[in-house]
Amino acid sequence: DADVTQTPRNRITKTGKRIMLECSQTKGHDRMYWYRQDPGLGLRLIYYSFDVKDINKGEISDGYSVSRQAQAKFSLSLESAIPNQTALYFCATSRADEQFFGPGTRLTVL
Amino acid sequence: GQQVMQIPQYQHVQEGEDFTTYCNSSTTLSNIQWYKQRPGGHPVFLIQLVKSGEVKKQKRLTFQFGEAKKNSSLHITATQTTDVGTYFCAGNTGFQKLVFGTGTRLLVSP
Repeated sequence: DADVTQTPRNRITKTGKRIMLECSQTKGHDRMYWYRQDPGLGLRLIYYSFDVKDINKGEISDGYSVSRQAQAKFSLSLESAIPNQTALYFCATSRADEQFFGPGTRLTVL
Repeated sequence: GQQVMQIPQYQHVQEGEDFTTYCNSSTTLSNIQWYKQRPGGHPVFLIQLVKSGEVKKQKRLTFQFGEAKKNSSLHITATQTTDVGTYFCAGNTGFQKLVFGTGTRLLVSP
């Protein structure tokens, strides 16, 4: 959906670098999520937030941190990137049950 | 933790053939959602099932939720090339976060 945007769309970085992925939404949803997608593993939840003051770890939060700067913005940081964090990252939003996904960020860590 | 498995992982059919993907959860679900991801795209919500034994249809797609609310299936009748993509189920245990299945990749040859 164009209502959920992610930047950058593609990024190549080196091991040990700090990197931030950003997500913005114009849907007015309170709930936002970060997932990573790896071939054969589906989508795995990294972090989620139900409002600006609420941050929760998902199933694979190690090595990641997040910031909910506003209702519309939710950023994901890799403090010290490592090669096994190479993946496709999706941001998603929801009001209740249905989730709306952004276009994804393809991250490569060399 | 909770796991959601899907089978098959991959299926290649001829246009006009039927297709089914199965989803099994290790725990009872409050509801289950289905998403479709086109090649190079992002997941897009298809449907949500809530009731035990529920069956819903969308044109050529039939979705079922098991009596025990631990399994689900998606059946496509007479596949078309536009059905190509990866189909994910996503289980909700009632804590408003989804656990995605591993996905079934469907390829349809004309």
